[in-house]
Amino acid sequence: EPEVTQTPSHQVTQMGQEVILRCVPISNHLYFYWYRQILGQKVEFLVSFYNNEISEKSEIFDDQFSVERPDGSNFTLKIRSTKLEDSAMYFCATGGARNTEAFFGQGTRLTVV
Amino acid sequence: KQEVTQIPAALSVPEGENLVLNCSFTDSAIYNLQWFRQDPGKGLTSLLLIQSSQREQTSGRLNASLDKSSGRSTLYIAASQPGDSATYLCAVPQGGSEKLVFGKGMKLTVNP
Repeated sequence: EPEVTQTPSHQVTQMGQEVILRCVPISNHLYFYWYRQILGQKVEFLVSFYNNEISEKSEIFDDQFSVERPDGSNFTLKIRSTKLEDSAMYFCATGGARNTEAFFGQGTRLTVV
Repeated sequence: KQEVTQIPAALSVPEGENLVLNCSFTDSAIYNLQWFRQDPGKGLTSLLLIQSSQREQTSGRLNASLDKSSGRSTLYIAASQPGDSATYLCAVPQGGSEKLVFGKGMKLTVNP
């Protein structure tokens, strides 16, 4: 069964460092999303991406965050200068069409120290 | 703004029981509702997607119902097993948006 693949599964980084989280979407899916889940809290939306541009973003997704699809297969989330409060599980999700079933990856646990 | 609530936050039951998990949402103008399962420290596994035009959707021992007008969905798990132990989340799109709004989830423990 097709699945969304995320790497790395766990990353520890020092405050102020840049991190890049990677996702390989399900092939033929056109809609891509990043969500995050701080420990013990709800899953919350960060950004949606379609047709090589951001289609929607939340207040959390400030100038420290960026997304891109560098090579037509990977979908990445970059955090330029990490803060302690960025520690969370980050999920990539993809969908075949707008407002259809979303498929999530296994997540990257980011720990900022 | 869409708000999603799942009550109770946790449930512990003996194996074999039939279960009903509840989800309520504040904005009934939704395209669909999705139920997920999350194992500890893991990702979200999609269980069922129920379209706004549907009343029910079934997959194996799982059955989800949707009542848009009252802003409610239920996930019914038949003959629960220890392997069903996980956190169950429901999510709906924010009105006019692609983003999913999640409930906090219900942690289910099925005891052998």
